[in-house]
Amino acid sequence: DQQVKQNSPSLSVQEGRISILNCDYTNSMFDYFLWYKKYPAEGPTFLISISSIKDKNEDGRFTVFLNKSAKHLSLHIVPSQPGDSAVYFCAASVGNTGKLIFGQGTTLQVKP
Amino acid sequence: EPEVTQTPSHQVTQMGQEVILRCVPISNHLYFYWYRQILGQKVEFLVSFYNNEISEKSEIFDDQFSVERPDGSNFTLKIRSTKLEDSAMYFCASSYPSGLNQPQHFGDGTRLSIL
Repeated sequence: DQQVKQNSPSLSVQEGRISILNCDYTNSMFDYFLWYKKYPAEGPTFLISISSIKDKNEDGRFTVFLNKSAKHLSLHIVPSQPGDSAVYFCAASVGNTGKLIFGQGTTLQVKP
Repeated sequence: EPEVTQTPSHQVTQMGQEVILRCVPISNHLYFYWYRQILGQKVEFLVSFYNNEISEKSEIFDDQFSVERPDGSNFTLKIRSTKLEDSAMYFCASSYPSGLNQPQHFGDGTRLSIL
């Protein structure tokens, strides 16, 4: 199932700089998109979401951008902190009660 | 902050045995889900459950799998006759669909190892 793709398996940034994580999708029926963070031995933790009627949603240091024409979303973390080091998953669904389709994840390392 | 809790954290079972994974969703949530993640692979949807019945299931969720909400707080996943390929992390999730932007919240998972 390749409907949601995260093409970068890993990303390394310096503390204080911006982290940009990218995600592409193919199913035009998706109308709800989410980002989760996952530490080892824990479940995915919800970070931020966006519905398809918006192109941007912001929550503190986290901003999600949605480009529907390109079927692309991105997560910006500014400023990045060492505690942000984790695996980040994007996920998409049809409706906010539908099954989530996950990307493969991107491992973010924030260096002090 | 309310959490989804899963037990046990690790389950080791002989192939062919039945296993029950348990979850306590967030108390006011109405939708319940099971996902799994085989080592090195994506998180995959198994089943969603609402109003005491399955609302959607994936191809993975065959006759060997079943879900139940036996009381007002627990949500269980049963695998009747486990296979080696059932070895994975199993995550329970729940959500409260009161409108837009109501995310699914996940537990920390049960690691199922089939020998």
